[in-house]
Amino acid sequence: ILNVEQSPQSLHVQEGDSTNFTCSFPSSNFYALHWYRWETAKSPEALFVMTLNGDEKKKGRISATLNTKEGYSYLYIKGSQPEDSATYLCAFTSGNTPLVFGKGTRLSVIA
Amino acid sequence: DAGVIQSPRHEVTEMGQEVTLRCKPISGHNSLFWYRQTMMRGLELLIYFNNNVPIDDSGMPEDRFSAKMPNASFSTLKIQPSEPRDSAVYFCASSLIIYTEAFFGQGTRLTVV
Repeated sequence: ILNVEQSPQSLHVQEGDSTNFTCSFPSSNFYALHWYRWETAKSPEALFVMTLNGDEKKKGRISATLNTKEGYSYLYIKGSQPEDSATYLCAFTSGNTPLVFGKGTRLSVIA
Repeated sequence: DAGVIQSPRHEVTEMGQEVTLRCKPISGHNSLFWYRQTMMRGLELLIYFNNNVPIDDSGMPEDRFSAKMPNASFSTLKIQPSEPRDSAVYFCASSLIIYTEAFFGQGTRLTVV
């Protein structure tokens, strides 16, 4: 059974703070690591798809890094805003399997 | 494309009744997934199809759950009989191929009383 772990489970930060959270995944048979953003009452939407060790992706104030050898990825949010409040999911695939999702990190940004 | 379309958005039913959830994937996507969202387990994969063929249903919790994909543009997830512990949000997602970006529907919030 593939295990994808995310930490912390939840996080409260003040507006303007920068924050980061972790996704751990199997380091063997790696194909891709996905990050999704899931706002309350909506459906998850893809942020990044990362495939190469050392990959860094950026979208506005959000960025992600990938270490496939040790099996982890970090998601960073710079200068958090209330609209960043959401659950952030990561998902792993070995390439011949569907995405296996972590349980997510629930971020609350307090104005 | 309108994205993945699920219906109904909300369903409240009595224990023992049959429940059918519906999904229309994005046109051209070859893979379709049914997930269940619960507090305890997060997003749990129930079953997935590739080119309309069920590939892995090992995530289906019990024989009360069944899923079909009669054609490339329609899938159903059926629970018969339903039980209170089936209450959850059920998501359908589709992708070009199994391991590429998944596009999710809005979900069906099922409440079994």
